[in-house]
Amino acid sequence: QVQVVQSGADVKKPGSSVKVSCKASGGTFNSYDISWVRQAPGQGLEWMGGIIPMFGLTNYAQKFRGRVVITLDESASTAYMELTSLTSQDTAVYYCATATIPEAGGALDVWGQGTLVTASS
Amino acid sequence: ETVLTQSPVTLSLSPGERATLSCRASQNVDSRYLAWYQHKLGQAPRLLIYGASSRASGIPDRFSGSGSGTDFTLTITRLEPEDFAVYYCQHLGPFGQGTKVEI
Repeated sequence: QVQVVQSGADVKKPGSSVKVSCKASGGTFNSYDISWVRQAPGQGLEWMGGIIPMFGLTNYAQKFRGRVVITLDESASTAYMELTSLTSQDTAVYYCATATIPEAGGALDVWGQGTLVTASS
Repeated sequence: ETVLTQSPVTLSLSPGERATLSCRASQNVDSRYLAWYQHKLGQAPRLLIYGASSRASGIPDRFSGSGSGTDFTLTITRLEPEDFAVYYCQHLGPFGQGTKVEI
């Protein structure tokens, strides 16, 4: 059973960028779709985008297009989410999650532990 | 992009009671891609239901999902203390805004 471990908490200045990593253990990402989801303080879950390794395709929520890039280093079994032009509104816990159940239509059954990103001057 | 609207925003119930949570899509959606998650403070979300009605591995049978088209429901037949959490529906990416089930 694949597990995913994310990079640690980070503090960034407004206007800068952050890159969060997500490493698979006990398996690889090669066959599994990967999504990035965030939760800002007091808010709900917000899907940011995802990558389909089999086709090398990425898909981003409209809100984040132009500001987020999701990539995958298959040789390292590590996915990355880079968010640019940070504002205080980007302070949130960021999760990576993957869909490992073939018949589940992309439902996210394996989640990382979350990474707190704080955007503050 | 399909918008998912969940109701109610908050559901106040007691252990042993039945919880019925609604998720309405802004247009017809393919139920194969409708999922429900449970989220507790300080933890990662947990997949409960996929394909609108299939329970994920290890999920107790008091959780059930139903629906098609634009209307979907998550039912918890007898609330246990550990079930008090926030629940989200999701379809091909976007989540609903969540329903908090509280005591």
